[in-house]
Amino acid sequence: DGGITQSPKYLFRKEGQNVTLSCEQNLNHDAMYWYRQDPGQGLRLIYYSQIVNDFQKGDIAEGYSVSREKKESFPLTVTSAQKNPTAFYLCASSDRPNEKLFFGSGTQLSVL
Amino acid sequence: DQQVKQNSPSLSVQEGRISILNCDYTNSMFDYFLWYKKYPAEGPTFLISISSIKDKNEDGRFTVFLNKSAKHLSLHIVPSQPGDSAVYFCAASALLTYYGGSQGNLIFGKGTKLSVKP
Repeated sequence: DGGITQSPKYLFRKEGQNVTLSCEQNLNHDAMYWYRQDPGQGLRLIYYSQIVNDFQKGDIAEGYSVSREKKESFPLTVTSAQKNPTAFYLCASSDRPNEKLFFGSGTQLSVL
Repeated sequence: DQQVKQNSPSLSVQEGRISILNCDYTNSMFDYFLWYKKYPAEGPTFLISISSIKDKNEDGRFTVFLNKSAKHLSLHIVPSQPGDSAVYFCAASALLTYYGGSQGNLIFGKGTKLSVKP
């Protein structure tokens, strides 16, 4: 079955620690995205990538980093510079930029 | 400044009746609109979309209406079922104008929680 796989489902971060969220897709989509959802809030764009080896900052990129070395993979690192990392993180992909997005099942990140 | 607004945080409807979820936008460049459904601790799933060249799009029990002059769109669910209980997000983009550019990125509303009671 084609889809987007995010792991882990739950992740805990200690103070000063960097953590990496995994996102893999087998839909052969060129574009991939990372969103953050906070309670009662919409989805806010962190980073996006329209092609391998290229990515762009979204609206709330500070404290995050990404890489796009393979078409299938778009990992997100939450660095220690992100002071309020607790949130539900969603990865998405689309066949063409900004068209219908397909989402993964999300990762809940909490701070210990 | 919110470009996509869903002013009703929640909506409660009786099973079998119509659910109407509303969305307003401020950016006149938006030309592509989508609705997503989201269950707790899961990713959103695509429901239905509409481009600015249309004013209505229907898919089964779901119909989206677009009023460009009012910068307003709505999602109608008829008949509503208990399984429809979820958070519904409206999203918009300036797809055709800014294809491939950051200005064309999808902007999401804050969502409306729909509860359909048996």
